[in-house]
Amino acid sequence: AQKITQTQPGMFVQEKEAVTLDCTYDTSDPSYGLFWYKQPSSGEMIFLIYQGSYDQQNATEGRYSLNFQKARKSANLVISASQLGDSAMYFCAMREGVASAGNKLTFGGGTRVLVKP
Amino acid sequence: DAGVIQSPRHEVTEMGQEVTLRCKPISGHDYLFWYRQTMMRGLELLIYFNNNVPIDDSGMPEDRFSAKMPNASFSTLKIQPSEPRDSAVYFCASSPSLIGLGMNTEAFFGQGTRLTVV
Repeated sequence: AQKITQTQPGMFVQEKEAVTLDCTYDTSDPSYGLFWYKQPSSGEMIFLIYQGSYDQQNATEGRYSLNFQKARKSANLVISASQLGDSAMYFCAMREGVASAGNKLTFGGGTRVLVKP
Repeated sequence: DAGVIQSPRHEVTEMGQEVTLRCKPISGHDYLFWYRQTMMRGLELLIYFNNNVPIDDSGMPEDRFSAKMPNASFSTLKIQPSEPRDSAVYFCASSPSLIGLGMNTEAFFGQGTRLTVV
């Protein structure tokens, strides 16, 4: 079974608008972390934002924010005021606690975002 | 710190040849991950180590693949013999150990090795 699901293979967004990238996850471990990475066309993996399972507030990092809905097991990434440089693949990832998967870090299939001028 | 260093950046080899990919993690990181990225299968976790010990190798596709971590500063991923379907980008990543419930231990990725098997 998929641990991390990203249902949007690709999407367009107008420059300066906000975009939401969906991510749902599956775990029975009470302790886990959720991560978003950006992969531009150059290929490197860039860490964007983190949300811990015990965090009470949604994570924010500049123009990136995470809409964390624990009961629904979703951790959607919101990019506000999109810029042309935001065009990239975006990956959601989960790191489960020691109790279950021994800190394994697994990734979703990714969402390709293209920002239109 | 120079970050995670992978070599080579590009590798082109003929089917049947042995291929060795190398990774130097960030100093002090306890975890090392090997991933394979393809268009069809996305980012797959192949194997990961904790303190040089392999923890989970369930993602290794076949016996042709093997990985070692002889010390804290070096790991290899070997494919023998290589096949065209092994063509992919292979990433190495490292991360610190977990501290209590503090899970914010992002993985730092190398630049990747683009492997082409012809």
